[in-house]
Amino acid sequence: DADVTQTPRNRITKTGKRIMLECSQTKGHDRMYWYRQDPGLGLQLIYYSFDVKDINKGEISDGYSVSRQAQAKFSLSLESAIPNQTALYFCATSDFRAGGSGELFFGEGSRLTVL
Amino acid sequence: AQSVTQLDSHVSVSEGTPVLLRCNYSSSYSPSLFWYVQHPNKGLQLLLKYTSAATLVKGINGFEAEFKKSETSFHLTKPSAHMSDAAEYFCVITKGGSNYKLTFGKGTLLTVNP
Repeated sequence: DADVTQTPRNRITKTGKRIMLECSQTKGHDRMYWYRQDPGLGLQLIYYSFDVKDINKGEISDGYSVSRQAQAKFSLSLESAIPNQTALYFCATSDFRAGGSGELFFGEGSRLTVL
Repeated sequence: AQSVTQLDSHVSVSEGTPVLLRCNYSSSYSPSLFWYVQHPNKGLQLLLKYTSAATLVKGINGFEAEFKKSETSFHLTKPSAHMSDAAEYFCVITKGGSNYKLTFGKGTLLTVNP
């Protein structure tokens, strides 16, 4: 089983619908992240969480919200999806105890299409 | 602010020939630098990282990168390309010690021709 699991892997929805992308991890890491990938733009940070009670906005948080339900679970919500939120979304984790090495462990991505 | 620039959006090589993927960085602080690889329909995987120890860093699958402060570069190389190296590669920078503030380059797509 994958260490970082994202569901769903693919989703097609309509403008205005509420969407939740879920992420769970078995690595025991304290830090979790949501990134968005668009072709030719690299990855952009949406939200990150250092623990259950510590959630922070990233570079492009407008239109998104998150919930850290447990150390192992971090969900991303689009309250009212719009077409320019069509993208590939990645969840990632890292271990603070690694001393700030910066290594992230990624899920396999959730491809979202908003029509 | 810190940033990275990947100088080529697409690199095409023949199998068995050397690979060079170029990355320049800008940082006011002592940076940590990384290369990640993304195979089709997969998440990103760490190839190698520089964190102010040895300037020549060896990674997985025969890749290596050299941190050159005078040139503000962190180019990724491999002596001989394999078909399995075909993927997208991302250069990433973070402020030293702050591993949550990663800035990704826009990626270089590596194509390996038989």
